[in-house]
Amino acid sequence: DTGVSQDPRHKITKRGQNVTFRCDPISEHNRLYWYRQTLGQGPEFLTYFQNEAQLEKSRLLSDRFSAERPKGSFSTLEIQRTEQGDSAMYLCASSSSGTDTQYFGPGTRLTVL
Amino acid sequence: GDSVTQMEGPVTLSEEAFLTINCTYTATGYPSLFWYVQYPGEGLQLLLKATKADDKGSNKGFEATYRKETTSFHLEKGSVQVSDSAVYFCALSDAGGGNKLTFGTGTQLKVEL
Repeated sequence: DTGVSQDPRHKITKRGQNVTFRCDPISEHNRLYWYRQTLGQGPEFLTYFQNEAQLEKSRLLSDRFSAERPKGSFSTLEIQRTEQGDSAMYLCASSSSGTDTQYFGPGTRLTVL
Repeated sequence: GDSVTQMEGPVTLSEEAFLTINCTYTATGYPSLFWYVQYPGEGLQLLLKATKADDKGSNKGFEATYRKETTSFHLEKGSVQVSDSAVYFCALSDAGGGNKLTFGTGTQLKVEL
């Protein structure tokens, strides 16, 4: 069990550019969650997958955001036409559907200049 | 919707002092309750959890009791150490919503010698 991993750990981009983040969950976990954390705040739910199906999206997830989990293993989160307000830590977590305990990755810190 | 309210920080204590971090919640169902900890430069780690009323979660000397009548889940530790310095997040999970987590804003704890 290597834990949840995320790549990259840090991303600096210019406003208007597209960025993509990757999350690799714990191998036997079928649920995968994305959260966003801004400075001084708790994480906020964005979306989650059970296997390859995206089952819920928060209203925080604007049309510029898209997430995929094509084979039910790793997931990607893409942000198109980034804005300065997108600067945050993006967290991924995974769990088994039979439990309510989520395990978090180290996060990807996005800075939009 | 669901919400979690935590006491504001930072909380500054001397080593071996008693710690209480207050947490109250609002939820429509019967959520599980969690405390997560974030050490400097690290990801979120599960500290303890409780799944039903009157359950007590405990780990590493920390305890919290699920109080349905007061909708609270206060975190306590009898004697803090410098190594406990971190940000502590109270959270609840929505079983009807894929167990997505709703977090409080976090409470920073600083323990001094």
